[in-house]
Amino acid sequence: KNEVEQSPQNLTAQEGEFITINCSYSVGISALHWLQQHPGGGIVSLFMLSSGKKKHGRLIATINIQEKHSSLHITASHPRDSAVYICAVWVDSNYQLIWGAGTKLIIKP
Amino acid sequence: SQTIHQWPATLVQPVGSPLSLECTVEGTSNPNLYWYRQAAGRGLQLLFYSVGIGQISSEVPQNLSASRPQDRQFILSSKKLLLSDSGFYLCAWSVRGGQPQHFGDGTRLSIL
Repeated sequence: KNEVEQSPQNLTAQEGEFITINCSYSVGISALHWLQQHPGGGIVSLFMLSSGKKKHGRLIATINIQEKHSSLHITASHPRDSAVYICAVWVDSNYQLIWGAGTKLIIKP
Repeated sequence: SQTIHQWPATLVQPVGSPLSLECTVEGTSNPNLYWYRQAAGRGLQLLFYSVGIGQISSEVPQNLSASRPQDRQFILSSKKLLLSDSGFYLCAWSVRGGQPQHFGDGTRLSIL
């Protein structure tokens, strides 16, 4: 079992739909990251969370430390949101950022 | 502002050839530097990290090596590439004691 599991692996939705991507982890962490990887490969950090909820534009990230679970939500989705969304957790030893395998999101116009 | 440059963006190399990927950071000093690899269908895996010039820690045994000849330069190398070295390589940096939040554009390496 991987230490960071994301679901779904692939998600296709229509423009305007509310999107939820889930991340579960099995290790003790001090922070969780949500990142976006575009088809060209570049990775952009979206959020770093250690508790509660963060919002940036149409993106919302939540984390439940007790349940070891985080969600990334996209409201009013748009084709430009199409990308791979990656969850990664920071373990306070050996500079380890443990990455999920990513969720490939396609938003159709 | 801080930026990170990684090149080349794509690379096709024959088996047995050498490799050198370069990553440079601007706008910060004494960063922690990281090399990650993403094999097809898998999450990114930490290969090397560095907390200072000449200081390299390896996370997984492999056919690759890393060097940090200058404070803001991190190089990933191999003397002889294997087919299994194919993948997406990503450089990142963080402030001392911090977590990687700044990433390069990556290099997609194909070994033929």
